[in-house]
Amino acid sequence: KAGVTQTPRYLIKTRGQQVTLSCSPISGHRSVSWYQQTPGQGLQFLFEYFSETQRNKGNFPGRFSGRQFSNSRSEMNVSTLELGDSALYLCASSSYSGAETQYFGPGTRLLVL
Amino acid sequence: AQSVSQHNHHVILSEAASLELGCNYSYGGTVNLFWYVQYPGQHLQLLLKYFSGDPLVKGIKGFEAEFIKSKFSFNLRKPSVQWSDTAEYFCAVSGNAGNMLTFGGGTRLMVKP
Repeated sequence: KAGVTQTPRYLIKTRGQQVTLSCSPISGHRSVSWYQQTPGQGLQFLFEYFSETQRNKGNFPGRFSGRQFSNSRSEMNVSTLELGDSALYLCASSSYSGAETQYFGPGTRLLVL
Repeated sequence: AQSVSQHNHHVILSEAASLELGCNYSYGGTVNLFWYVQYPGQHLQLLLKYFSGDPLVKGIKGFEAEFIKSKFSFNLRKPSVQWSDTAEYFCAVSGNAGNMLTFGGGTRLMVKP
């Protein structure tokens, strides 16, 4: 099976802009989670979607949002970008939601100038 | 709130040395434990996981970990490291209500040939 894919792989934006990142899970997987990885804060959970519903949400401001489509593909959006949003954004998929192994994609590296 | 601590931030070993990376967690409930590895330039990969049963779990590439419930620990071990084990290692914990992973800060392992 193909792994988790994320597009784009690299992105440069300026402060105040918004960005949309995309994630395609492993075929058959219905849960998609998003994480932010930075040198200072490490890996932090953003949110999880399962069957098009947000299942869990991390401690991030409302500028960070996401959605999941009927084919399980997911997008996350960050509005009004700040310099501190520069990070590697990782997507992970699993078969179901709860006590499941998550498989990670390569990430989207976002640089905010 | 759940938390994960990895006490060793950087570890340098020579090939054939034994490895033990510490991981302690704080979580009030049923816990699922994971070790992920991130090789240079690659995405996060699952090394091993513990959901229930035998507290000594074996993973890929000769790694193993032991869940000690009384110590809230899940330390990673390998009897003899190789240069190819150079990577960053992350301990993570989740509950059963969804796929929200809480990660430790990571341990950078460098193995000298």
